[in-house]
Amino acid sequence: DIQLTQSPSFLSASIGERVTIRCRASQDINSYLAWYQQKSGKAPQLLMYGASTLQSGVPSRFSGSGSGREYTLTISSLQPEDFATYYCQQVNSYPLTFGGGTKVEIK
Amino acid sequence: QVQLQESGPGLVKPSETLSLTCVVSGGSISNYYWYWIRQSPEKGLEWIGFVLYGGGTNYNASLKSRVTMSVDTSKSQLSLKVNSVTAADTAVYYCVRGRSNHFYGMDVWGQGSPVIVSS
Repeated sequence: DIQLTQSPSFLSASIGERVTIRCRASQDINSYLAWYQQKSGKAPQLLMYGASTLQSGVPSRFSGSGSGREYTLTISSLQPEDFATYYCQQVNSYPLTFGGGTKVEIK
Repeated sequence: QVQLQESGPGLVKPSETLSLTCVVSGGSISNYYWYWIRQSPEKGLEWIGFVLYGGGTNYNASLKSRVTMSVDTSKSQLSLKVNSVTAADTAVYYCVRGRSNHFYGMDVWGQGSPVIVSS
């Protein structure tokens, strides 16, 4: 199984701050990576697929990059509605797997 | 706007079978992947498997011997069965839609159906 390691697992940041979340895969996943946002008590929502393609309706302050085993999700200017837990997911091979999550909280 | 609504018993006894259904409304059930994902504090988000509108399936090997997924296109309904459950199967279970290729991610999620396995 492909393991996904997210860092940090917890992040405290201020409104307007630039935030970067990393996701490292145990093997090359060929940019078959998606990012999700989950708010408390809600289902995850797709933010990005193909490592860097924004899902329709997602604000442009979110961006993704990476290749091979290393990927990042960046929020250029953190907004109040962005406080949530973020997950990466590899869809390159079965079983599809998720990272452990990064919780973004208000500083 | 397609919506997914899971329903299930909420509480299942150990060794029994967990049965969940998911009704798809506002959109077609055809030409999509239909995933089941579960989430627990212990294991995080876990892919259980998927069923295609034509009935083809692919299950996580860790659960394969206990899982059955099916689709009823006439009712726009999906079902998940997990047999011989234990406390480790306690989780929120999500019904999720994916487009024609896994590459595009999972774009529509149900609200989740919490399941507790306990006697």
